[in-house]
Amino acid sequence: GESVGLHLPTLSVQEGDNSIINCAYSNSASDYFIWYKQESGKGPQFIIDIRSNMDKRQGQRVTVLLNKTVKHLSLQIAATQPGDSAVYFCAEIPTSGTYKYIFGTGTRLKVLA
Amino acid sequence: GAGVSQSPSNKVTEKGKDVELRCDPISGHTALYWYRQRLGQGLEFLIYFQGNSAPDKSGLPSDRFSAERTGESVSTLTIQRTQQEDSAVYLCASSPQLGGGYFGPGTRLTVL
Repeated sequence: GESVGLHLPTLSVQEGDNSIINCAYSNSASDYFIWYKQESGKGPQFIIDIRSNMDKRQGQRVTVLLNKTVKHLSLQIAATQPGDSAVYFCAEIPTSGTYKYIFGTGTRLKVLA
Repeated sequence: GAGVSQSPSNKVTEKGKDVELRCDPISGHTALYWYRQRLGQGLEFLIYFQGNSAPDKSGLPSDRFSAERTGESVSTLTIQRTQQEDSAVYLCASSPQLGGGYFGPGTRLTVL
């Protein structure tokens, strides 16, 4: 459902390791998904998207996996760097009807030196 | 401009005053969203505009909150009789009908 101001879970990862951030989405009608990165004091920044006709999409150092059966989305970051420290949000969008974005609660990623 | 812009970037006001926040979306984007984000927390949906359709106001927390958008251009979010609990960052995003949403930098509102 909608993100309604919950405190954010935190994932701590050693620099150079891979990070996996998970998101459970709520609407079976959602067929478009986006991962956003939000650094302190800034608005969320688009990272990567995926449509429901795919189960995997790769970008530069990032991979998004989609499991429609269990309504689960994950973001994998390879060789995590200090600059990856941020809050990561997933968004689900049904592309029929209202196209309204529904955001997950977010995960704070801390990269340890 | 190249991205979504919001103004002012910071707004400090006294309890009980009205404030107006502005969002300039990316040209050609049919959808526009307002979200509220309290410190260290997630995104709270407020309102959504899509083209000329009636806006989805289901996230507005009270009747003190309202928003307008003319066509596919600028949007303003108005908060009347501000309360300290309204203190937050107000984020605007725009998107094409079938594409990713792009966020502005936000307006940080502080109600004293």
